[in-house]
Amino acid sequence: NAGVTQTPKFRILKIGQSMTLQCAQDMNHNYMYWYRQDPGMGLKLIYYSVGAGITDKGEVPNGYNVSRSTTEDFPLRLELAAPSQTSVYFCASSYGAPYSNQPQHFGDGTRLSIL
Amino acid sequence: GENVEQHPSTLSVQEGDSAVIKCTYSDSASNYFPWYKQELGKGPQLIIDIRSNVGEKKDQRIAVTLNKTAKHFSLHITETQPEDSAVYFCAASPSSNTGKLIFGQGTTLQVKP
Repeated sequence: NAGVTQTPKFRILKIGQSMTLQCAQDMNHNYMYWYRQDPGMGLKLIYYSVGAGITDKGEVPNGYNVSRSTTEDFPLRLELAAPSQTSVYFCASSYGAPYSNQPQHFGDGTRLSIL
Repeated sequence: GENVEQHPSTLSVQEGDSAVIKCTYSDSASNYFPWYKQELGKGPQLIIDIRSNVGEKKDQRIAVTLNKTAKHFSLHITETQPEDSAVYFCAASPSSNTGKLIFGQGTTLQVKP
């Protein structure tokens, strides 16, 4: 059982470049999430989706875009990379919403450096 | 919006001792409080969670307590082992949004053999 799979694991970008971070889950979860983790700052929610075709902003959405065309996939797009977007990005999924006590399952992250 | 504060940021204990990590939250309507363990180079993994209608929950050496009046919850690890060394995050599910978990800043636990 693969769970939540993120690709790539590492990436270095130049300022102004664009890229897509991939996330796929095989647990038939409805909810999917993107977080960024900066040192000493915990995890901040970027975007989330409650199902295919539905996305919503989290705490720190600026500079990112998402789409959810299938239940399994939830890619995160950086259009114009900036040094402030250097971080570790985690994708997560859950069967239902946190308030209904549904745990989130995390991937192992993508480490992104922008120089 | 919801805010979660976590303390301490680092914690060092001797093997066999107990460790306690504390979190406070601001939204009194929050109703779900998970704890995650993150090992180096890995994503966070759920270790225990508690609902707002429960005051305490135990799972072997791990326990979580919740004080709704004071709006704080704590993680207790007894008989610590070196493999407990990791970063621990608390989180709260605010009532204002169906999709969010708000995380604390994390606690780096070091268990010395």
